[in-house]
Amino acid sequence: DAKTTQPPSMDCAEGRAANLPCNHSTISGNEYVYWYRQIHSQGPQYIIHGLKNNETNEMASLIITEDRKSSTLILPHATLRDTAVYYCIVRVDGNAGNMLTFGGGTRLMVKP
Amino acid sequence: EPEVTQTPSHQVTQMGQEVILRCVPISNHLYFYWYRQILGQKVEFLVSFYNNEISEKSEIFDDQFSVERPDGSNFTLKIRSTKLEDSAMYFCASSEGSYTGELFFGEGSRLTVL
Repeated sequence: DAKTTQPPSMDCAEGRAANLPCNHSTISGNEYVYWYRQIHSQGPQYIIHGLKNNETNEMASLIITEDRKSSTLILPHATLRDTAVYYCIVRVDGNAGNMLTFGGGTRLMVKP
Repeated sequence: EPEVTQTPSHQVTQMGQEVILRCVPISNHLYFYWYRQILGQKVEFLVSFYNNEISEKSEIFDDQFSVERPDGSNFTLKIRSTKLEDSAMYFCASSEGSYTGELFFGEGSRLTVL
Protein backbone atom coordinates (compact mmCIF):
# COMPACT_ATOMS: atom_id res chain seq x y z
CA ASP A 1 0.00 0.00 0.00
CA ALA A 2 1.54 3.25 -1.15
CA LYS A 3 1.61 5.79 1.67
CA THR A 4 3.40 8.36 -0.45
CA THR A 5 2.91 9.68 -3.96
CA GLN A 6 5.75 11.11 -6.02
CA PRO A 7 6.03 12.16 -9.65
CA PRO A 8 7.80 9.42 -11.61
CA SER A 9 10.40 11.74 -13.12
CA MET A 10 11.75 15.28 -13.09
CA ASP A 11 14.46 17.22 -14.84
CA CYS A 12 16.64 19.91 -13.36
CA ALA A 13 19.36 22.11 -14.81
CA GLU A 14 22.80 21.77 -13.28
CA GLY A 15 23.41 24.45 -10.66
CA ARG A 16 19.73 25.14 -10.14
CA ALA A 17 17.64 24.05 -7.17
CA ALA A 18 15.85 20.73 -7.51
CA ASN A 19 12.51 20.65 -5.72
CA LEU A 20 11.11 17.16 -5.35
CA PRO A 21 7.52 16.93 -4.08
CA CYS A 22 5.91 14.16 -2.10
CA ASN A 23 2.30 13.70 -1.04
CA HIS A 24 1.56 11.79 2.15
CA SER A 25 -2.01 12.81 2.85
CA THR A 26 -2.71 9.88 5.20
CA ILE A 27 0.34 10.43 7.39
CA SER A 28 -0.18 9.78 11.09
CA GLY A 29 0.85 12.14 13.85
CA ASN A 30 3.79 9.95 14.88
CA GLU A 31 5.10 9.21 11.40
CA TYR A 32 8.29 10.83 10.20
CA VAL A 33 9.06 11.70 6.59
CA TYR A 34 12.31 10.18 5.34
CA TRP A 35 14.10 10.79 2.07
CA TYR A 36 16.55 8.40 0.47
CA ARG A 37 18.13 8.31 -2.95
CA GLN A 38 19.54 5.57 -5.12
CA ILE A 39 22.20 6.37 -7.66
CA HIS A 40 22.22 3.94 -10.55
CA SER A 41 21.44 0.67 -8.71
CA GLN A 42 23.81 1.44 -5.85
CA GLY A 43 22.55 0.97 -2.31
CA PRO A 44 19.98 3.52 -1.15
CA GLN A 45 21.49 6.51 0.63
CA TYR A 46 19.83 8.32 3.51
CA ILE A 47 19.37 12.05 2.87
CA ILE A 48 17.25 13.64 5.56
CA HIS A 49 14.16 13.18 7.70
CA GLY A 50 11.71 15.27 9.71
CA LEU A 51 8.50 15.20 11.70
CA LYS A 52 6.96 18.67 11.63
CA ASN A 53 9.67 21.28 11.36
CA ASN A 54 11.70 22.04 8.30
CA GLU A 55 15.11 20.42 8.37
CA THR A 56 18.41 21.17 6.68
CA ASN A 57 21.67 19.31 6.50
CA GLU A 58 24.71 19.34 4.26
CA MET A 59 22.90 17.44 1.52
CA ALA A 60 19.45 18.96 1.35
CA SER A 61 16.53 20.78 2.94
CA LEU A 62 13.19 19.26 3.82
CA ILE A 63 10.11 21.43 3.85
CA ILE A 64 7.01 19.89 5.45
CA THR A 65 3.66 21.63 5.11
CA GLU A 66 1.86 22.69 8.24
CA ASP A 67 -0.81 20.03 7.81
CA ARG A 68 2.00 17.49 7.14
CA LYS A 69 0.17 16.12 4.11
CA SER A 70 3.02 16.90 1.78
CA SER A 71 6.69 17.73 1.75
CA THR A 72 9.39 18.93 -0.60
CA LEU A 73 13.00 17.87 -0.74
CA ILE A 74 15.25 20.65 -1.96
CA LEU A 75 18.70 20.14 -3.42
CA PRO A 76 19.88 23.75 -3.47
CA HIS A 77 22.46 23.51 -6.24
CA ALA A 78 21.97 20.30 -8.17
CA THR A 79 24.99 18.69 -9.78
CA LEU A 80 25.21 15.90 -12.34
CA ARG A 81 26.07 13.53 -9.49
CA ASP A 82 22.62 14.18 -7.98
CA THR A 83 21.03 12.29 -10.86
CA ALA A 84 19.27 9.45 -9.02
CA VAL A 85 15.94 8.01 -7.94
CA TYR A 86 14.67 9.84 -4.86
CA TYR A 87 12.37 8.05 -2.43
CA CYS A 88 10.01 9.65 0.05
CA ILE A 89 9.10 7.26 2.89
CA VAL A 90 6.91 7.71 5.94
CA ARG A 91 7.81 5.74 9.03
CA VAL A 92 7.00 5.61 12.72
CA ASP A 93 10.24 6.07 14.62
CA GLY A 94 10.76 3.91 17.65
CA ASN A 95 9.28 0.79 16.07
CA ALA A 96 11.13 -2.44 16.42
CA GLY A 97 12.09 -4.00 13.12
CA ASN A 98 12.67 -0.79 11.24
CA MET A 99 11.23 -1.87 7.93
CA LEU A 100 11.36 0.85 5.27
CA THR A 101 8.82 0.63 2.47
CA PHE A 102 10.23 1.97 -0.78
CA GLY A 103 7.85 3.11 -3.48
CA GLY A 104 8.66 3.94 -7.06
CA GLY A 105 10.33 7.24 -6.24
CA THR A 106 11.12 10.17 -8.52
CA ARG A 107 13.82 9.75 -11.11
CA LEU A 108 15.68 13.06 -11.11
CA MET A 109 17.75 13.82 -14.15
CA VAL A 110 20.18 16.72 -13.72
CA LYS A 111 21.15 18.10 -17.10
CA PRO A 112 24.15 20.26 -18.03
CA GLU B 1 33.51 7.43 7.05
CA PRO B 2 32.31 4.02 8.23
CA GLU B 3 30.48 1.97 5.64
CA VAL B 4 28.66 -1.29 5.12
CA THR B 5 30.59 -3.67 2.91
CA GLN B 6 29.17 -6.58 0.93
CA THR B 7 30.70 -9.55 -0.83
CA PRO B 8 30.61 -10.78 -3.47
CA SER B 9 29.70 -7.87 -5.70
CA HIS B 10 28.36 -10.29 -8.29
CA GLN B 11 27.62 -13.99 -8.12
CA VAL B 12 26.38 -16.25 -10.86
CA THR B 13 24.91 -19.58 -9.81
CA GLN B 14 22.90 -22.44 -11.19
CA MET B 15 19.29 -22.93 -10.19
CA GLY B 16 19.03 -25.14 -7.13
CA GLN B 17 22.42 -24.19 -5.75
CA GLU B 18 22.99 -22.65 -2.33
CA VAL B 19 24.24 -19.10 -2.14
CA ILE B 20 25.64 -17.14 0.79
CA LEU B 21 25.88 -13.37 0.59
CA ARG B 22 28.06 -11.68 3.14
CA CYS B 23 27.94 -8.29 4.78
CA VAL B 24 30.05 -6.42 7.31
CA PRO B 25 27.80 -3.85 9.00
CA ILE B 26 29.07 -0.67 10.63
CA SER B 27 30.81 -1.72 13.82
CA ASN B 28 28.72 0.01 16.49
CA HIS B 29 25.38 -0.69 14.83
CA LEU B 30 22.98 -3.10 16.47
CA TYR B 31 20.32 -3.68 13.79
CA PHE B 32 20.95 -5.41 10.51
CA TYR B 33 18.79 -5.81 7.41
CA TRP B 34 18.57 -7.38 4.02
CA TYR B 35 16.66 -5.81 1.16
CA ARG B 36 16.51 -6.86 -2.45
CA GLN B 37 15.76 -5.19 -5.76
CA ILE B 38 14.78 -7.15 -8.82
CA LEU B 39 15.95 -5.38 -11.96
CA GLY B 40 13.64 -2.48 -12.77
CA GLN B 41 11.52 -2.97 -9.66
CA LYS B 42 11.24 -1.46 -6.20
CA VAL B 43 13.57 -2.01 -3.29
CA GLU B 44 11.90 -4.65 -1.10
CA PHE B 45 12.43 -5.43 2.57
CA LEU B 46 13.40 -9.01 3.37
CA VAL B 47 14.39 -9.24 7.01
CA SER B 48 15.65 -7.36 10.04
CA PHE B 49 17.90 -8.86 12.71
CA TYR B 50 18.70 -7.80 16.25
CA ASN B 51 20.30 -9.49 19.21
CA ASN B 52 20.94 -12.65 17.21
CA GLU B 53 17.40 -13.18 16.12
CA ILE B 54 15.02 -12.09 13.41
CA SER B 55 12.90 -9.16 14.55
CA GLU B 56 10.79 -8.77 11.40
CA LYS B 57 10.52 -10.47 8.04
CA SER B 58 8.49 -10.04 4.88
CA GLU B 59 6.47 -12.59 2.92
CA ILE B 60 9.40 -12.88 0.52
CA PHE B 61 11.60 -14.26 3.28
CA ASP B 62 10.37 -17.84 3.17
CA ASP B 63 11.99 -21.08 4.32
CA GLN B 64 14.55 -20.89 1.52
CA PHE B 65 16.12 -17.88 3.17
CA SER B 66 18.06 -17.67 6.41
CA VAL B 67 20.25 -15.09 8.11
CA GLU B 68 23.07 -15.49 10.56
CA ARG B 69 25.61 -13.47 12.41
CA PRO B 70 28.34 -16.11 12.68
CA ASP B 71 30.84 -13.86 14.45
CA GLY B 72 31.10 -10.33 15.77
CA SER B 73 31.43 -8.69 12.39
CA ASN B 74 29.73 -10.63 9.59
CA PHE B 75 26.05 -10.83 8.75
CA THR B 76 25.04 -13.37 6.12
CA LEU B 77 22.05 -14.15 3.95
CA LYS B 78 21.73 -17.73 2.75
CA ILE B 79 19.47 -18.90 -0.02
CA ARG B 80 19.26 -22.68 0.20
CA SER B 81 18.06 -23.63 -3.25
CA THR B 82 18.09 -20.72 -5.63
CA LYS B 83 15.33 -20.13 -8.15
CA LEU B 84 15.41 -18.03 -11.30
CA GLU B 85 13.25 -15.41 -9.59
CA ASP B 86 15.88 -14.93 -6.88
CA SER B 87 17.98 -13.05 -9.41
CA ALA B 88 18.26 -9.54 -7.95
CA MET B 89 20.49 -7.04 -6.21
CA TYR B 90 20.67 -7.82 -2.51
CA PHE B 91 21.41 -4.92 -0.20
CA CYS B 92 22.59 -5.24 3.35
CA ALA B 93 21.99 -2.35 5.75
CA SER B 94 22.62 -1.52 9.37
CA SER B 95 21.43 1.06 11.86
CA GLU B 96 22.23 2.17 15.38
CA GLY B 97 18.83 1.19 16.63
CA SER B 98 15.22 0.61 15.73
CA TYR B 99 14.27 4.08 16.91
CA THR B 100 15.67 5.63 13.74
CA GLY B 101 14.91 5.10 10.08
CA GLU B 102 18.43 6.16 9.14
CA LEU B 103 19.81 3.02 7.60
CA PHE B 104 23.23 2.67 6.06
CA PHE B 105 23.19 0.49 2.97
CA GLY B 106 25.98 -1.41 1.31
CA GLU B 107 26.68 -1.29 -2.42
CA GLY B 108 24.83 -4.55 -2.99
CA SER B 109 25.51 -8.05 -4.24
CA ARG B 110 24.13 -8.89 -7.65
CA LEU B 111 22.87 -12.46 -7.80
CA THR B 112 22.23 -14.03 -11.17
CA VAL B 113 20.54 -17.44 -11.19
CA LEU B 114 20.79 -19.40 -14.45
